[in-house]
Amino acid sequence: GAGVSQTPSNKVTEKGKYVELRCDPISGHTALYWYRQSLGQGPEFLIYFQGTGAADDSGLPNDRFFAVRPEGSVSTLKIQRTERGDSAVYLCASSPHPGPAGANVLTFGAGSRLTVL
Amino acid sequence: GQQLNQSPQSMFIQEGEDVSMNCTSSSIFNTWLWYKQNPGEGPVLLIALYKAGELTSNGRLTAQFGITRKDSFLNISASIPSDVGIYFCAGHVYSGGGADGLTFGKGTHLIIQP
Repeated sequence: GAGVSQTPSNKVTEKGKYVELRCDPISGHTALYWYRQSLGQGPEFLIYFQGTGAADDSGLPNDRFFAVRPEGSVSTLKIQRTERGDSAVYLCASSPHPGPAGANVLTFGAGSRLTVL
Repeated sequence: GQQLNQSPQSMFIQEGEDVSMNCTSSSIFNTWLWYKQNPGEGPVLLIALYKAGELTSNGRLTAQFGITRKDSFLNISASIPSDVGIYFCAGHVYSGGGADGLTFGKGTHLIIQP
């Protein structure tokens, strides 16, 4: 597609439930990033994929968070046993370049707003 | 971890005025970036700075990468209504050992009064 597509745009769930958020990057972009943006804050880095592999997952807050990109295109962010503190906008971004050069030319999606009650 | 201090937190200005915002850090960054985010949308890249001391313009926007690599400013000249939004600075460190994500500031809310 023309841009980075994220679904769902809004997700409301109950504490303790499992959630999946999907990102469809720009066609041909090999690098994919997930960020989390809490209310009133800037985005925080979660994980970076180069192709199918997670090249850097140092931003994932704990083992309840996991992300996959099995075919090097679409990525899914998975959150287990959701907590109220997980409520945020989850942003996906993609880049045509790997590594540092790619991180400087990101195209972000509109995000998935997660609300945990 | 690395932190970026962005100021001011918000700005209320009249249309046509010039705007200035800045970002500082206790850490050195290899790249400084400025993004704009509108409500319900993702951030959009405005300007990227790669060299210490670099001054770059993009239309009415001008940004500079500080000599110490620990700060940057963004100026907007002759503001117009569509400039309203949240402006974020972001820094990037080329560590070579991962940590490929950007570090963002908390944003400057720009509000333009007619």
